Amino acid sequence: RKEVEQDPGPFNVPEGATVAFNCTYSNSASQSFFWYRQDCRKEPKLLMSVYSSGNEDGRFTAQLNRASQYISLLIRDSKLSDSATYLCVVTPPSSNTGKLIFGQGTTLQVKP
Amino acid sequence: EAGVAQSPRYKIIEKRQSVAFWCNPISGHATLYWYQQILGQGPKLLIQFQNNGVVDDSQLPKDRFSAERLKGVDSTLKIQPAKLEDSAVYLCASSRSVSPSAGYTFGSGTRLTVV
Repeated sequence: RKEVEQDPGPFNVPEGATVAFNCTYSNSASQSFFWYRQDCRKEPKLLMSVYSSGNEDGRFTAQLNRASQYISLLIRDSKLSDSATYLCVVTPPSSNTGKLIFGQGTTLQVKP
Repeated sequence: EAGVAQSPRYKIIEKRQSVAFWCNPISGHATLYWYQQILGQGPKLLIQFQNNGVVDDSQLPKDRFSAERLKGVDSTLKIQPAKLEDSAVYLCASSRSVSPSAGYTFGSGTRLTVV
């Protein structure tokens, strides 16, 4: 079983649509959770951290459900510029490593 | 603040040849990482350095891959001999510390094609 699992998509949505991505992680003791964004042929960049209480950054909302080992990302009012691959990321239980464990990514294509 | 510098940007080699990648992290960042990203997959950690010591190299194929970080600054990653399955983007990243909240910056990567 993969440590972090995501639906690779692609998700094709029209501008203005709301789209949701989910991922699951296998280690219940994972410490920290993030969503990264990766544009085509570019490096990954941090989009937002994910907390159990949920957090919002503009049109983006992230949620963590530790009991179900499930992380979500909601994008409202999609823009063409949101087209990218979204990587779900967790950190291992050990506190002495900065290692990031990535899912394979979910590809989003926003169409005019 | 200057970003993480990597070179070369692209490299094409034949299988069984050797190749080396170079990374210069952000100034003052004690922690340096090398990740491998195969097409269609997320990045996978190969090796992590804290200053010039290795913290985690559990997923580094040590029969062919080696890495060093002399003087705790620049780092090189070497593959010898290369295999077709080593075709990937090799990403270097650095952070101030191992804390997840310390912030992670990736370089632009080196795209390796083994033919």
